[in-house]
Amino acid sequence: SQTIHQWPATLVQPVGSPLSLECTVEGTSNPNLYWYRQAAGRGLQLLFYSVGIGQISSEVPQNLSASRPQDRQFILSSKKLLLSDSGFYLCAWSGDGRYGYTFGSGTRLTVV
Amino acid sequence: AQSVTQLGSHVSVSEGALVLLRCNYSSSVPPYLFWYVQYPNQGLQLLLKYTSAATLVKGINGFEAEFKKSETSFHLTKPSAHMSDAAEYFCAVSDGATNKLIFGTGTLLAVQP
Repeated sequence: SQTIHQWPATLVQPVGSPLSLECTVEGTSNPNLYWYRQAAGRGLQLLFYSVGIGQISSEVPQNLSASRPQDRQFILSSKKLLLSDSGFYLCAWSGDGRYGYTFGSGTRLTVV
Repeated sequence: AQSVTQLGSHVSVSEGALVLLRCNYSSSVPPYLFWYVQYPNQGLQLLLKYTSAATLVKGINGFEAEFKKSETSFHLTKPSAHMSDAAEYFCAVSDGATNKLIFGTGTLLAVQP
C-alpha cells in the first residue's frame, strides 16, 4: 500500500534562517506531489505541485521554493525565513485525479 | 474554472444531533467531489468521494453525502453527532483531468455535550 511521510512534525526557526521540509512517498511510482500551507483561519493554500522529477509549478509568488530530486521525494525550502512563513505545511500525493489526494501528517512551522 | 463554496465557517451541534455541512460547487464538466476531515495538528483524511457512480455516497465514521446536480451541491451529513466528530471539514472538487483539487475554505464543527 502507498504511504506518505513528512518530517519534521514541528519546527521552530528564527527569522532569516534557512528551511528544508521533506516529503517522501512509498508504494507508488510517478506520483503527483503537492505542498500546501495552512495559516490560521485561511484555509488551504496550494504552494507548489509537481508532475515529475525536476518539474515544479508554483502557484503563488513567495519566499519559498520546491524541488523534486527523486521520483518520490518532494522538498520545500527557503533561504531566509520570514515571520509570515509560519503555518502548518502539508504534503500530498495523487495518482489519478479522480480519486483525490493523500496527505501527510503535516509540519507545524513557527518562525520567531 | 471550478470552485467550491462551503457555507458556514463554524457549525455547532449538540451531541446526538444531526450534522449538516454544506458544500456547493461550480464546474463546467462532470465533477469529482470529496470531503476531507482534519483533526488539530494533523493532515487531512479522506471521508468520502463522489466519482459519478451512486449519488448517495457513504464514507467513514458514519458520514454520507448526496450529489445533487440540479442544486450543484454535495452536502455532508451524519444522523447523530459524536464528540469525536469535532474537527474541520473540507469540501473539494476535481475535474478528473488536471489532477488538481480545489478546496473550500473549511467548516469547523464543534460538538457540545
